[in-house]
Amino acid sequence: SAVISQKPSRDICQRGTSLTIQCQVDSQVTMMFWYRQQPGQSLTLIATANQGSEATYESGFVIDKFPISRPNLTFSTLTVSNMSPEDSSIYLCSVEDPGANEKLFFGSGTQLSVL
Amino acid sequence: SQQGEEDPQALSIQEGENATMNCSYKTSINNLQWYRQNSGRGLVHLILIRSNEREKHSGRLRVTLDTSKKSSSLLITASRAADTASYFCATALSGGYNKLIFGAGTRLAVHP
Repeated sequence: SAVISQKPSRDICQRGTSLTIQCQVDSQVTMMFWYRQQPGQSLTLIATANQGSEATYESGFVIDKFPISRPNLTFSTLTVSNMSPEDSSIYLCSVEDPGANEKLFFGSGTQLSVL
Repeated sequence: SQQGEEDPQALSIQEGENATMNCSYKTSINNLQWYRQNSGRGLVHLILIRSNEREKHSGRLRVTLDTSKKSSSLLITASRAADTASYFCATALSGGYNKLIFGAGTRLAVHP
């Protein structure tokens, strides 16, 4: 299993600013995933972060808007840049089960509201 | 893009009743997983069924998979108020690295 600490748990931000979300895992994992969940919607994968390489972004998401860092095997950050109200969502980090590499463990999420 | 579609979108039942949620998907998969989300927070893994399996049980959960119809169902038996949550299916696509594509989800409300 893996325990994920994600912070902040929520934030209210002004339009045009940036917010960095941190994700700390209690064990070393190869891949970390960042998801966005818009209000009342399902999860959409933003990008996959491997340690030591550039993150792989899904269609519709770009590095300039969602820069990701992955400095080591237990930590990652996602920045939401130049925010607009449309960025108001829950952002979730997740990691593969270190033992099985199939199921995911999730952080508790960051609820972001942009005014 | 979303792989899975779920129905119903919302389900309201009484404690003790069974709840059935369905999930359909579009492409070949390695496995299909079900997750639970309480109050828009982090998701919790419930059960995984592989593409070569047809049925799987875990406690009060029963999952079926029909790869010919590209569909799965999650049955929660003898539901409790604490089962109130959103339930999502997620598919791990075959031939690719292990990323999950989530369905739209079913919001389950279990009334005492």
